[in-house]
Amino acid sequence: GAGVSQSPSNKVTEKGKDVELRCDPISGHTALYWYRQSLGQGLEFLIYFQGNSAPDKSGLPSDRFSAERTGGSVSTLTIQRTQQEDSAVYLCASSLQLERKTQYFGPGTRLLVL
Amino acid sequence: EDQVTQSPEALRLQEGESSSLNCSYTVSGLRGLFWYRQDPGKGPEFLFTLYSAGEEKEKERLKATLTKKESFLHITAPKPEDSATYLCAVRNNYGQNFVFGPGTRLSVLP
Repeated sequence: GAGVSQSPSNKVTEKGKDVELRCDPISGHTALYWYRQSLGQGLEFLIYFQGNSAPDKSGLPSDRFSAERTGGSVSTLTIQRTQQEDSAVYLCASSLQLERKTQYFGPGTRLLVL
Repeated sequence: EDQVTQSPEALRLQEGESSSLNCSYTVSGLRGLFWYRQDPGKGPEFLFTLYSAGEEKEKERLKATLTKKESFLHITAPKPEDSATYLCAVRNNYGQNFVFGPGTRLSVLP
């Protein structure tokens, strides 16, 4: 079946602009995660959703970052007033449930802020 | 605070030369330890989940083991297509997020 998809695959933007990154999880997966991976770094947890609610937003780096999920499916990560340090690969993952369930990752969105 | 470290940072092997990658962790109640493979320009691909000390899982040339403090990913007779970055992650009993290590970059030369 179809895996996790993300769009756009690449995004180049200017400092100060807002960007929206989209994630389509595997159908039926109730849990959805966003991570950031900077060059040569490990994955940094940003936020997770169980259904449409986000119980843990502790990983969001600043109030410029926000995320929402609608219909228990598609999620959007929004970065307002982008900064050069926001340049990274943003990865989305989904899992069937939160409890002891494996995450399946999308290919990521490569964001470059000039 | 939960932490995951991985060693070595990079490893270069000749085809057929077996070796092991290490993942050391500190976690408040382990709910699961996960191994992923990541190829350049792609998202991580799930390999194994281990839940308790003494558990082992195998897949082709890979075998993952778990103790109370660390996990090993053993690679037997590797091939060039095994070249990738291998990521380790843990999940604790209290939160729902995963804590990832920095990865080991493996290169297998023909």
